[in-house]
Amino acid sequence: EVQLQQSGPEVGRPGSSVKISCKASGYTFTDYVMNWVKQSPGQGLEWIGWIDPEYGSTDYAEKFKKKATLTADTSSNTAYIQLSSLTSEDTATYFCARGNNYRFDYWGQGVMVTVSS
Amino acid sequence: DVVMTQTPVSLSVSLGGQVSISCRSSQSLVHNNGNTYLSWYLQKPGQSPQLLIYKVSNRFSGISDRFSGSGSGTDFTLKISRVEPDDLGVYYCGQGTQYPWTFGGGTKLELK
Repeated sequence: EVQLQQSGPEVGRPGSSVKISCKASGYTFTDYVMNWVKQSPGQGLEWIGWIDPEYGSTDYAEKFKKKATLTADTSSNTAYIQLSSLTSEDTATYFCARGNNYRFDYWGQGVMVTVSS
Repeated sequence: DVVMTQTPVSLSVSLGGQVSISCRSSQSLVHNNGNTYLSWYLQKPGQSPQLLIYKVSNRFSGISDRFSGSGSGTDFTLKISRVEPDDLGVYYCGQGTQYPWTFGGGTKLELK
């Protein structure tokens, strides 16, 4: 069974950074890209970018290129997203989602990031 | 960016009824390889989104045949028949044809 288990809620001060993890199980981690999706409170879904765990290659939506950094550790089957220079606009739930042929077929449970001083 | 527009924003339905949700894209979703990468997702209250339909009309593993997708080019529809309580939530269409991948604003399905 494919599972994506994300880390717990985060609180970050304005200007700081947070790093969220997504541990994959039930499939070969390097066979699929991992995507990240943002959902602001009460809002819709925004694609942030993806990482290919096998090669470490990444692609980002333009608006997140200076905000998010995607990495992956194949030894632990874990993908990460680091969000930097936090502002109130970064307060949101962040999902990891496996990419499979241009669709997101399995999703993590989501991590709530709150930016507060 | 490809803008995805869903209508209606909200929908009330009786159990056992049928509903349709429309999704229109600002550009054709036909990929250079001939495929159309339009998917539908359901986000139940307090949960993460789940994949229902991919490539316009293909049901994902374990998805009931009460869900059906259709459409082409820029105009797509999700139909849900014999609505059950577990179908309630917010439905999103999403495109994977052109970067950045984008989603519609969502359609909230509620009980009448």
